[in-house]
Amino acid sequence: TQLLEQSPQFLSIQEGENLTVYCNSSSVFSSLQWYRQEPGEGPVLLVTVVTGGEVKKLKRLTFQFGDARKDSSLHITAAQPGDTGLYLCAGASTDYKLSFGAGTTVTVRA
Amino acid sequence: NAGVMQNPRHLVRRRGQEARLRCSPMKGHSHVYWYRQLPEEGLKFMVYLQKENIIDESGMPKERFSAEFPKEGPSILRIQQVVRGDSAAYFCASSKTRWDNSPLHFGNGTRLTVT
Repeated sequence: TQLLEQSPQFLSIQEGENLTVYCNSSSVFSSLQWYRQEPGEGPVLLVTVVTGGEVKKLKRLTFQFGDARKDSSLHITAAQPGDTGLYLCAGASTDYKLSFGAGTTVTVRA
Repeated sequence: NAGVMQNPRHLVRRRGQEARLRCSPMKGHSHVYWYRQLPEEGLKFMVYLQKENIIDESGMPKERFSAEFPKEGPSILRIQQVVRGDSAAYFCASSKTRWDNSPLHFGNGTRLTVT
């Protein structure tokens, strides 16, 4: 089982501030996905990164995949209350199983 | 709503009873995956099925747990003789082809409570 560690576990910020969530592993992944999950709902895919060093932007969200394909980060610029949720990273190995991190709970205060 | 549908949303069972969790994948999706989520833990892979076939059940306990995805009807995750440790949120996801070639879509889960 490949372990994905996410940090921090909890993050509470004021509206308008920036935040970064990290996802680290000692294993190499063929791709890495980021999901957001809201209370009582299932995870929703935000992005998939495949190439080492890849950077993807989705409006105010910036995702980066480490050069060695072992780690990733999610940066949110000018956070809004609607960004509140549980952010999960999930790594894919050579088989088809996804290994999920425990998640970072982000709270953006208005 | 053409999303992944799971029911029931909440299920309460007493120890020793059976729990049946249902998942209807998105239209056109023939690949189904079941995950379990405990509080403050990530989702843990349980089983991967493709119409009528179990592809990988390595994440599922060998006793008391079983899964099926019949030709007609929803996928079923069955837990026999439930114990308190089975209390968790169970999520189903589906994809059009194998997940690494098409995105996974998750349902809203079934929250099982064993009393």
